[in-house]
Amino acid sequence: GENVEQHPSTLSVQEGDSAVIKCTYSDSASNYFPWYKQELGKGPQLIIDIRSNVGEKKDQRIAVTLNKTAKHFSLHITETQPEDSAVYFCAAPLTGGGNKLTFGTGTQLKVEL
Amino acid sequence: EADIYQTPRYLVIGTGKKITLECSQTMGHDKMYWYQQDPGMELHLIHYSYGVNSTEKGDLSSESTVSRIRTEHFPLTLESARPSHTSQYLCASSAGFNYGYTFGSGTRLTVV
Repeated sequence: GENVEQHPSTLSVQEGDSAVIKCTYSDSASNYFPWYKQELGKGPQLIIDIRSNVGEKKDQRIAVTLNKTAKHFSLHITETQPEDSAVYFCAAPLTGGGNKLTFGTGTQLKVEL
Repeated sequence: EADIYQTPRYLVIGTGKKITLECSQTMGHDKMYWYQQDPGMELHLIHYSYGVNSTEKGDLSSESTVSRIRTEHFPLTLESARPSHTSQYLCASSAGFNYGYTFGSGTRLTVV
C-alpha cells in the first residue's frame, strides 16, 4: 500500500521566516497530493493541493512543489505569522483503493514572535 | 463555513456504555470516512463508505461499527465503550477520486 513519510515532526521558526515541510510517497501511480492544516481543537482543513500534471502551485503565502521522479512533494510557507502555528499533514491517494488518502505523520509548526 | 457536522464535540462516558457518534454532511458527497486521531497526531482510517449501504473497515482495527442508510449521514457506534476507546474521532467526506477531504471538527471521547 501507499506509504507517506513526512519530515520534520516539529518545526520552529521566527515570525517572518519561511517554513518548509517535506513528504515522500511510495506509489508512483499517485497523482493527487493535498496538504491539511489542523488547529487546536479543530479538524484538519485542506489548504492547498496539487495534481501530478504540474510541478508547483501557489496560493498567496503558501506553495506546494512536486517532484514526481523523486516521489516527493513539499509545502512552503513564506513570511510566517503566529496564526500559521498548527499541525500540518500531507497526504497521497492509495491507488487501487478508491479515494482513500494515506496521511503523513504530521508536522507541528510553531511560529515564534 | 463547515458543511460537515459532528456531534457531540466532547463526550465523557462510563465503561460499558453504548454510544453513537454522529456525522452529517450537506454536500451530497458519496464518499465518507472515519478517522481516529491519537495524541501523537497520526490519523488512522477506521471505516469508510462509498455510498448508501456501502461500508468497509479501514486500516486500523476498531471495535466500532458504522452504517450508511442515507447519503448525508454516517454514524459510528461503540456497543460497549472501554478506556482504550478514548481518542479523538474525525469524520470526513469527499466529492470523488482525487479530491480533497472535508473534515468535521471531531468528537473527543473519554471513557472512564
